[in-house]
Amino acid sequence: EIVLTQSPGTLSLSPGERATLSCRASQTITYTYLAWYQQKPGQAPRLLIYGASSRATGIPDRFSGSGSGTDFTLTISRLEPEDFAVYYCQHYDSSPSLTFGGGTKVEIK
Amino acid sequence: QVHLQESGPGLVKTSQTLALTCTVSGDSISSGRYYWSWVRQHPGKGLEWLGYIYYSGTTSQNSSLKSRLTLSIDTSKSQFSLRLSSVTSADTAIYYCAAFSKYDMGFDSWGQGTLVTVSS
Repeated sequence: EIVLTQSPGTLSLSPGERATLSCRASQTITYTYLAWYQQKPGQAPRLLIYGASSRATGIPDRFSGSGSGTDFTLTISRLEPEDFAVYYCQHYDSSPSLTFGGGTKVEIK
Repeated sequence: QVHLQESGPGLVKTSQTLALTCTVSGDSISSGRYYWSWVRQHPGKGLEWLGYIYYSGTTSQNSSLKSRLTLSIDTSKSQFSLRLSSVTSADTAIYYCAAFSKYDMGFDSWGQGTLVTVSS
């Protein structure tokens, strides 16, 4: 079973700064099946990125995803006030099974 | 995207069965575009995938719950359901139904979530 480890656990940044979030898989995964979500308090998660680097419908271009193999990154180029939230990566494999990472909280510094 | 709405009791007694239903609108549940899924979130914790069901009835489940979890689908009502047996306080969580897209391999639609508390 693939384990996704997200780091850091918490990222303290100011609006306008760049955020770099990491998701590391316990073994090589197919990039096609790596997604990122944003979750705000009291809300359901929202799909941001699929296929490691494709933005979902309506997602601003300040959000970008990259990576391959075991290491994947979500970058928020310039943090807006509404971007402070918890972010999760997620993988689908063909067993079939789905796994979420533990999450990274982006908080206001 | 589709619209999803969970329904079911918010309180379940220990050792009993937790049953939730998700009603789908905005797309046909039989379209074949989605794996109809359940995800839960323990209070203040991360996301846990429970399982999914395809319109054909094919299922996949988290192995940690497999013996207690039953998924079903009623295409005539545009609903899919979850039953989790022998619940304990560890099953207290927000339960989300979600649509996992076969196109982008991501959950692109979610219900609002429903808090289920297990208590004696």
